[in-house]
Amino acid sequence: AQKITQTQPGMFVQEKEAVTLDCTYDTSDQSYGLFWYKQPSSGEMIFLIYQGSYDEQNATEGRYSLNFQKARKSANLVISASQLGDSAMYFCAMRESTDKLIFGTGTRLQVFP
Amino acid sequence: GAVVSQHPSWVICKSGTSVKIECRSLDFQATTMFWYRQFPKQSLMLMATSNEGSKATYEQGVEKDKFLINHASLTLSTLTVTSAHPEDSSFYICSARRRLAQTSTDTQYFGPGTRLTVL
Repeated sequence: AQKITQTQPGMFVQEKEAVTLDCTYDTSDQSYGLFWYKQPSSGEMIFLIYQGSYDEQNATEGRYSLNFQKARKSANLVISASQLGDSAMYFCAMRESTDKLIFGTGTRLQVFP
Repeated sequence: GAVVSQHPSWVICKSGTSVKIECRSLDFQATTMFWYRQFPKQSLMLMATSNEGSKATYEQGVEKDKFLINHASLTLSTLTVTSAHPEDSSFYICSARRRLAQTSTDTQYFGPGTRLTVL
């Protein structure tokens, strides 16, 4: 079974609009962490936001927020006020009891003017 | 913010040669670094976990003798692709583990990646 599922291979959004990138996960651990990374065409993986399984509040970092719904095992990334520079691949990842990150297959976001 | 560098950013080599890729944490010490491989339009696949001063831990299916990892200091890990062949052509990316500010957790900060092409 997939540990991290990103069902949207590609998304389009108009500049200045908000967009939600979906991520669901599967784990039996009580303690785990959820991460989102951005990968522009240059290839570098850029850390965006983190949510711990025990965090009661949704994480926010500037224009990024993580919509964490623990019972549904979802950790969607919300980007507000999209910018052209937000066009990239976005990966959701989970860390369970080990140091390892398990990545989803990614969502390609295209922001158009 | 945390900075991780990789060198070289790209390399082209002949089949049968060995290639060394360096991963450095520039403004922090990293006891643990990770090496990933990424094929075009695919996700990252963890190859191995590199711990300073000890042997690397390889993921299932990754050949230890082919992908040599050395983590000799708290700021440097190297990946050597030995006797490279065209099927080793890929994007190799490293990461270093660091404590997230104002949290009790760590995250991984990634290098810019190295594109290897084996002719």
